[in-house]
Amino acid sequence: DQQVKQNSPSLSVQEGRISILNCDYTNSMFDYFLWYKKYPAEGPTFLISISSIKDKNEDGRFTVFLNKSAKHLSLHIVPSQPGDSAVYFCAASGGSNYKLTFGKGTLLTVNP
Amino acid sequence: EAQVTQNPRYLITVTGKKLTVTCSQNMNHEYMSWYRQDPGLGLRQIYYSMNVEVTDKGDVPEGYKVSRKEKRNFPLILESPSPNQTSLYFCASSAYRDRGPYYGYTFGSGTRLTVV
Repeated sequence: DQQVKQNSPSLSVQEGRISILNCDYTNSMFDYFLWYKKYPAEGPTFLISISSIKDKNEDGRFTVFLNKSAKHLSLHIVPSQPGDSAVYFCAASGGSNYKLTFGKGTLLTVNP
Repeated sequence: EAQVTQNPRYLITVTGKKLTVTCSQNMNHEYMSWYRQDPGLGLRQIYYSMNVEVTDKGDVPEGYKVSRKEKRNFPLILESPSPNQTSLYFCASSAYRDRGPYYGYTFGSGTRLTVV
């Protein structure tokens, strides 16, 4: 039972354009959502997060949108840069054990 | 520098030979966890620890053991490794969410384990 789903294994965009990565969840107990970025041979690193009491959070070029009714969140990167090329994981948290449940990841490739 | 340190980075071993992957964090985090990453399966939780001497199973605990005798250390033990445990392993730590701004986990750099 996959509670966090990233349905696009890969995404390719041109430098300077917008990248939109999507994530869906099924567990209504999730109340905090995070995006992680992972380069090869490195551990995932925190990128941006959003609490369920908000519908948008922005940090520089990165914006996360949350649609609770649709159980959907998205990460927007504007403008995309070649250095953004990485695997992006969506993660969700809820309940008492602080577990993060991860999606399978989306490989973003930004072409110069 | 705040970090999670895993050792070794790479390990090739034979079936049945006990091994330990060490994990240490210097952020005084209460929560620590082990994940494995496999192609097409993403990151799956193996074990977690809420604090010293408090551990519990994650989603894929079979074949693994952990211990949390000190707050900073959370080793992963494979008593009798098998080829299906060939994977990329990550240790992670975090503060409790109610202690202030929450940034999720800080991950180690990973341990690539091959069991032949």
